[in-house]
Amino acid sequence: QQQVKQSPQSLIVQKGGISIINCAYENTAFDYFPWYQQFPGKGPALLIAIRPDVSEKKEGRFTISFNKSAKQFSLHIMDSQPGDSATYFCAAPAGYYNQGGKLIFGQGTELSVKP
Amino acid sequence: GAVVSQHPSRVICKSGTSVKIECRSLDFQATTMFWYRQFPKKSLMLMATSNEGSKATYEQGVEKDKFLINHASLTLSTLTVTSAHPEDSSFYICSAPGNLAGGTSETQYFGPGTRLLVL
Repeated sequence: QQQVKQSPQSLIVQKGGISIINCAYENTAFDYFPWYQQFPGKGPALLIAIRPDVSEKKEGRFTISFNKSAKQFSLHIMDSQPGDSATYFCAAPAGYYNQGGKLIFGQGTELSVKP
Repeated sequence: GAVVSQHPSRVICKSGTSVKIECRSLDFQATTMFWYRQFPKKSLMLMATSNEGSKATYEQGVEKDKFLINHASLTLSTLTVTSAHPEDSSFYICSAPGNLAGGTSETQYFGPGTRLLVL
C-alpha cells in the first residue's frame, strides 16, 4: 500500500517558536494533502489541507508548504503556543484514486510547546 | 461545522462478549463512513469502509467476522466487535466525508473515538 512517511516522531518547541513537521509521499496521483490535529483521548480534527496546484497555503498561524517535485509537504506552526501541544498527522488519499475520502495517515508527530 | 458523534465514549467488557459502537453524522448525511483503530501513541489504521445499503469493505488483514459493520442509515454506522479479547482493546474512531462549507468532498470529519478495554 502507498505510504506517507512523517517526521519527526516528537518535537519540543519553545513558546513563540516555529514548529515544522514534514511528510513524504510516494504516489504522484495524490491530489489532496490534509493535516490533522489530535488531542489525547479525542478524535482527529482537520487543521488545514492543500492541493498540489499550489505551493503554499496559510491559515492563521498554520502554513502548509508543498513541494511536488520532491513529493514532500510540511506543516509550519508559527508563534507556537502551549495550546498547540498535540499530535499532528499528515494524510493523503488512499489508493490511486480518491476513494470517497479514504485516507492513509503518517506516523504522527507529538508536539510539545514549552511555556 | 460538521459533527460526528460516537457512542459509547468508553466501554469495558469481559473477554468473549460482543461490543457495539455507534457512529452518527449529526448534521449531514454520509453514504460512506470509515472505521479506524488507534493504539497508544500510534497512527490511525484504517479498518474498513462502511457503505450505506451495501456490504462493508475491509482492509487487508482485518477480520470481517470479528469486526461486523452495519451502515443502517445515511447517518448511522455501527461497528460490533464480536467475541472480544484483550488484544482487541484499542481506541476506535469513525469518520465521515462531508462536502460542507469550508470543506470538500474529501474532508473527513472524525468522531471523538471510543475507548474499548477488554478484560
